Amino acid sequence: AQSVTQPDIHITVSEGASLELRCNYSYGATPYLFWYVQSPGQGLQLLLKYFSGDTLVQGIKGFEAEFKRSQSSFNLRKPSVHWSDAAEYFCAVDGNKLVFGAGTILRVKS
Amino acid sequence: DAGVIQSPRHEVTEMGQEVTLRCKPISGHDYLFWYRQTMMRGLELLIYFNNNVPIDDSGMPEDRFSAKMPNASFSTLKIQPSEPRDSAVYFCASTHNSRNTEAFFGQGTRLTVV
Repeated sequence: AQSVTQPDIHITVSEGASLELRCNYSYGATPYLFWYVQSPGQGLQLLLKYFSGDTLVQGIKGFEAEFKRSQSSFNLRKPSVHWSDAAEYFCAVDGNKLVFGAGTILRVKS
Repeated sequence: DAGVIQSPRHEVTEMGQEVTLRCKPISGHDYLFWYRQTMMRGLELLIYFNNNVPIDDSGMPEDRFSAKMPNASFSTLKIQPSEPRDSAVYFCASTHNSRNTEAFFGQGTRLTVV
């Protein structure tokens, strides 16, 4: 069975600081991995995805994520957070169906 | 394309009533997913369809929930009878290929059962 764990429910960072959101997955083979962002009252928007090849993937809005097979992780990073990045972030894995983690709420303080 | 369209955006109903949520996927997409989002349980996959055929409904919480996709451009999620614990935001998403392309989400239906 496939599953996704996002260990941090809430994270608060200062504007301009770096960000790392953690994601661990469980799946028997190499999965397809995604990060989505959800703004209040909205649906989810894709930030980036990993299928194969380079383990460091670039996404929209200056986000990137690194796939580490040995750690079963796919952490999301951004070098400098902007106030508009405040939202909820979901990691997702697609083995035979698209399953989401519980989400991490990002707060940005000025 | 206008994206995935869900209706209604908000629904308030009394316990015991039937509720029908609607979704129009993006034209040409052959996968459709129904998710439920709550504070307690996060984003749960309820059911998904491929080419209008239900593939996996293991996430449907109980028999009160049913979903149909009579054609490629329309799907419904029905709850009968509804209960207060069904209150949640229900999302529909569609994608051209389940595994390697972006899933596009509708804006959701916020259901409140009183």
